[in-house]
Amino acid sequence: DAGITQSPRYKITETGRQVTLMCHQTWSHSYMFWYRQDLGHGLRLIYYSAAADITDKGEVPDGYVVSRSKTENFPLTLESATRSQTSVYFCASSHAPSLDPNGEQFFGPGTRLTVL
Amino acid sequence: AQKITQTQPGMFVQEKEAVTLDCTYDTSDPSYGLFWYKQPSSGEMIFLIYQGSYDQQNATEGRYSLNFQKARKSANLVISASQLGDSAMYFCAMREYDYKLSFGAGTTVTVRA
Repeated sequence: DAGITQSPRYKITETGRQVTLMCHQTWSHSYMFWYRQDLGHGLRLIYYSAAADITDKGEVPDGYVVSRSKTENFPLTLESATRSQTSVYFCASSHAPSLDPNGEQFFGPGTRLTVL
Repeated sequence: AQKITQTQPGMFVQEKEAVTLDCTYDTSDPSYGLFWYKQPSSGEMIFLIYQGSYDQQNATEGRYSLNFQKARKSANLVISASQLGDSAMYFCAMREYDYKLSFGAGTTVTVRA
């Protein structure tokens, strides 16, 4: 199906392990985003990308690494997971401003990550 | 400073009644956009409504309307004729020049039969 998918949907890992969350979109959207959702904070931006090979930090980037070698994929890596990174992670994508000046973002279903 | 403030952590509303969810924002960017998203208990983020800073009229989408008061920097969501399926968390978000979204903490709405 077309759209935006995330994998895995659920992940349990241990402190210190490396974890990669995958995000794939089929709309050829230029922009892609990673958010984390924690109680009382809403969604906070971790990293975003305006195009392949272009990434930039968001509000809470520490402890995370991203890459974007292809337009459709935007993986998020926790290099050494900590308990504070237990959260729900959402990937989103949007058209470039020239195609959608409103900037509506389309969200994936989320990945629930637990770090023990 | 918080860019988006939602002061109501939770609200109860009777079925078929209207409910207003508050959202205030802070930006110095003259061009911005305001979004409302719904997150049901299943977890997905559902786009509801959008208001651009230059839009003269308040946005409406079916039972959803956005009460945009630019001078007060508020963008309240009004849900008319509430239904049981409206029970969810609702997020207000703002898009500024850099195309990133800033979200509020959310408001949980519970619709009572």
